[in-house]
Amino acid sequence: GENVEQHPSTLSVQEGDSAVIKCTYSDSASNYFPWYKQELGKGSQLIIDIRSNVGEKKDQRIAVTLNKTAKHFSLHITETQPEDSAVYFCAAARAPNDYKLSFGAGTTVTVRA
Amino acid sequence: DAGVIQSPRHEVTEMGQEVTLRCKPISGHDYLFWYRQTMMRGLELLIYFNNNVPIDDSGMPEDRFSAKMPNASFSTLKIQPSEPRDSAVYFCASTPGGAPQPQHFGDGTRLSIL
Repeated sequence: GENVEQHPSTLSVQEGDSAVIKCTYSDSASNYFPWYKQELGKGSQLIIDIRSNVGEKKDQRIAVTLNKTAKHFSLHITETQPEDSAVYFCAAARAPNDYKLSFGAGTTVTVRA
Repeated sequence: DAGVIQSPRHEVTEMGQEVTLRCKPISGHDYLFWYRQTMMRGLELLIYFNNNVPIDDSGMPEDRFSAKMPNASFSTLKIQPSEPRDSAVYFCASTPGGAPQPQHFGDGTRLSIL
């Protein structure tokens, strides 16, 4: 099955700086890569996703890059704000053949004011 | 859109008791997923349904766990008998299906087995 590794496990950044989280996956057939943000006591919320037919996607301060050859993808958050503090999860899936998401272990991001 | 609704939000019970967790997916979503989250193991997929039919239950830890989806708007995850190691946050998620689509998560049930 798919194995997704995520690094780092914790990340502390100064407000206004950038944060980068990296994930690798093992199954070359994976074609869908969402990123989720989980705040304390809440379920995970999708913040951005990318499909294997594109290499980069951006939404305001958040961007995701995908390198299919190397089987890794990264989340970039620019101009971080205190409300960006949360746990972030990457995931991979082989939709539509298989809708299961394989999640990384998560990154706890703390933005220092 | 009310989102995925889970109940209860918190459950504390003694070991050996039966526990039932409930989930109402987003209307029109064909897929429903049950996850368990712990510090040690992260987010684990337990089982998922397509059009009320269980598709993959390979993540269900043991026979003490069972899940049902009697109709498109309701699913249950049952643990009987419960054990302290079942303590975790259990999440339900749903997705429409078709082209790759994000899963929408409920806020989870925090389960504590004493």
